[in-house]
Amino acid sequence: RKEVEQDPGPFNVPEGATVAFNCTYSNSASQSFFWYRQDCRKEPKLLMSVYSSGNEDGRFTAQLNRASQYISLLIRDSKLSDSATYLCVVNIGGGFKTIFGAGTRLFVKA
Amino acid sequence: EAGVTQFPSHSVIEKGQTVTLRCDPISGHDNLYWYRRVMGKEIKFLLHFVKESKQDESGMPNNRFLAERTGGTYSTLKVQPAELEDSGVYFCASSQDHQGRTEAFFGQGTRLTVV
Repeated sequence: RKEVEQDPGPFNVPEGATVAFNCTYSNSASQSFFWYRQDCRKEPKLLMSVYSSGNEDGRFTAQLNRASQYISLLIRDSKLSDSATYLCVVNIGGGFKTIFGAGTRLFVKA
Repeated sequence: EAGVTQFPSHSVIEKGQTVTLRCDPISGHDNLYWYRRVMGKEIKFLLHFVKESKQDESGMPNNRFLAERTGGTYSTLKVQPAELEDSGVYFCASSQDHQGRTEAFFGQGTRLTVV
């Protein structure tokens, strides 16, 4: 079993749609959680950190459920520019080791 | 402020040759990480420096890979001798926070092709 697992995708959605990505992690010692975005042939860039209380940044909402070891990302009112690969990232043991999910590819179409 | 820079952006070498990748982190960032993404796979952690010390090198695939960070500034990752399966994109990242709670900034990566 992979340490971080994500929906395989790809997700193909029309503009304006709401889309949700799920991620599970296996190591209960995981301490920090992030969603990164990676455009084709570019470096990953932080989209948002994920906190236990849940957090929102504009159209993006992230949730963390430590009991279920589950992280989610919700994108509302999808834009064409949201098309990218979304990476679930987990830091284990105080941040010394970072584990990436394989990523979920999102295509937003007009 | 300059971001994380990596050099070269692309490298094509023959099997058995040596390649050295370089990463310049954001100034003042003590933490420096190396990652690798081989085609079709997820990004994999290789190792983590705190200043010049290797904090965690559990992701290094084998002893053909050697990472250094002399002086705690830039870092190099040497592959010697290179094998076909070493092909992929090597990312470097840096961060300020020693606990990994804050953003790690990534360089644009070095695309290594071993032929």
